[in-house]
Amino acid sequence: EDQVTQSPEALRLQEGESSSLNCSYTVSGLRGLFWYRQDPGKGPEFLFTLYSAGEEKEKERLKATLTKKESFLHITAPKPEDSATYLCAVSEGGADGLTFGKGTHLIIQP
Amino acid sequence: NAGVTQTPKFQVLKTGQSMTLQCAQDMNHNSMYWYRQDPGMGLRLIYYSASEGTTDKGEVPNGYNVSRLNKREFSLRLESAAPSQTSVYFCASSEGWGSRDTQYFGPGTRLTVL
Repeated sequence: EDQVTQSPEALRLQEGESSSLNCSYTVSGLRGLFWYRQDPGKGPEFLFTLYSAGEEKEKERLKATLTKKESFLHITAPKPEDSATYLCAVSEGGADGLTFGKGTHLIIQP
Repeated sequence: NAGVTQTPKFQVLKTGQSMTLQCAQDMNHNSMYWYRQDPGMGLRLIYYSASEGTTDKGEVPNGYNVSRLNKREFSLRLESAAPSQTSVYFCASSEGWGSRDTQYFGPGTRLTVL
């Protein structure tokens, strides 16, 4: 059973059409939830870290929220340059790395 | 600051050959990590180093070895490459060893094993 599940796997939107990406997790002791953006052929680029339920963070057209079982990445009035794969990852404790979801491939059409 | 750098960017190996992937960071971070990314799967942790002089296995360590050469550098070695090791390899670093620290990733090494 996957510990981190992202949905949808792929999403195609028109420019300006707002939507949300979901990341659900089943880890028992969440220490942090991380959102990254990955462009084709590049490494993941850090977007947000959320630590506790109820926390929200914003950056330009993106807003990340966290509950006890899931996180949402809301994208408002997206532009074509927002097209990328968005990765969610969780940390349970220690320095033993992050557990990643499979990502949501987002395409914004002009 | 260059952040996290990786060499080489691309590599093609034959089955049984060996190679070392290099990673360096200039952010004075204490912890470093190696992940692999395969189509249809999330990034998976291979090995990590919480601090200089220590290394530990991650989720998929078989077939790999690592060396934390100093605080800046963390290398990944494939002693006898197999086609199953065809993947994109990412190095990452974080300031502390705690689980709340953000990991910053390098650009990746794309490895094909024939």
